[in-house]
Amino acid sequence: DAGVTQSPTHLIKTRGQQVTLRCSPKSGHDTVSWYQQALGQGPQFIFQYYEEEERQRGNFPDRFSGHQFPNYSSELNVNALLLGDSALYLCASSVGVSGANVLTFGAGSRLTVL
Amino acid sequence: EDQVTQSPEALRLQEGESSSLNCSYTVSGLRGLFWYRQDPGKGPEFLFTLYSAGEEKEKERLKATLTKKESFLHITAPKPEDSATYLCAVGGSASKIIFGSGTRLSIRP
Repeated sequence: DAGVTQSPTHLIKTRGQQVTLRCSPKSGHDTVSWYQQALGQGPQFIFQYYEEEERQRGNFPDRFSGHQFPNYSSELNVNALLLGDSALYLCASSVGVSGANVLTFGAGSRLTVL
Repeated sequence: EDQVTQSPEALRLQEGESSSLNCSYTVSGLRGLFWYRQDPGKGPEFLFTLYSAGEEKEKERLKATLTKKESFLHITAPKPEDSATYLCAVGGSASKIIFGSGTRLSIRP
């Protein structure tokens, strides 16, 4: 049973560029949450998607946007990249929308902005 | 606003030396308090969920407890393979899961 898969695993971009990260949730899961984890810090909540809609959003600017597809997979888009966007981007999946849900994480996409 | 604070930031122990990690939280309508383990270069891995004050859960050398304001992760007779970053998180009525900054645990043989 495949867990959460993310792609790409590593990528390097320059300031001002745009990036798209992809996530396939664990089989049977229908909710996807995205987190940003800077080096030495805990994961910071970006947003959550359920039924193809953004349900919750953290304190991130509009440069961060997302999408969920009918097969529950999801994309995270970041426009006008800044040096401070360099981080590990984690995708987590769960069943339904609840603060009691256990999250299953992927291995992450490591973004470096030069 | 929901908030999670973990202490200490880093902890170095000798193999077999027991200790505890602290997680203080504020949340609107607690739905769950979570502990995850994260190894370098990997995503967090689920350990425990606690739902109400007074609840305790155990797994091998780890035991998690919960009060109305704090959670503790007790590590008994740790081994080098227990070295990792331990993350605490809370889920409230808003349904999003908020994480603390973690405790980096290092166990020396």
